[in-house]
Amino acid sequence: EPEVTQTPSHQVTQMGQEVILRCVPISNHLYFYWYRQILGQKVEFLVSFYNNEISEKSEIFDDQFSVERPDGSNFTLKIRSTKLEDSAMYFCASIGLGYTIYFGEGSWLTVV
Amino acid sequence: KNEVEQSPQNLTAQEGEFITINCSYSVGISALHWLQQHPGGGIVSLFMLSSGKKKHGRLIATINIQEKHSSLHITASHPRDSAVYICAVIRETSGSRLTFGEGTQLTVNP
Repeated sequence: EPEVTQTPSHQVTQMGQEVILRCVPISNHLYFYWYRQILGQKVEFLVSFYNNEISEKSEIFDDQFSVERPDGSNFTLKIRSTKLEDSAMYFCASIGLGYTIYFGEGSWLTVV
Repeated sequence: KNEVEQSPQNLTAQEGEFITINCSYSVGISALHWLQQHPGGGIVSLFMLSSGKKKHGRLIATINIQEKHSSLHITASHPRDSAVYICAVIRETSGSRLTFGEGTQLTVNP
């Protein structure tokens, strides 16, 4: 069974610090996503990435967020200056042919 | 108002019961996903539907595009089915991103 892997599984960071969340999508997939879920709330879309560029982003995905696919396998989400309200579970996902979506196990980010 | 509404929010069942979770949406869609979120947080895709009905083991998902409604059924429920079940849609106007419902917390007691 193919899988999307995410690191770290949990990170605690000081407010104002930069955080990088890493994802390895399934190798032959073409569309990549970051979603987040604040504790007790529904999952929200952040950004989608196709052909090495952002294809869509939500209003949440402001200038403090960025995504990169630096080496053709990793897919990273950077939060430049974390705020308390960035505390959430961040999910990476990818879609291949057939449009089945695969999610990573998530990265819990706690901003203190 | 949420674009994707699920009911019920919480559901408790006895082992063996037939379970139905409903999803209504208010936008045009190209596809609908049913997802399962484990207690640890991980999300797994159960079904993707654009019409009709799909079955996988004890799980059945149906969609009525005209009525903008989908249902997820679990036959012969088991405590291991306890999880949050999430309906998510791909809107016709928004590429391939998912718009999520609030989820239904299912607890199946032995």
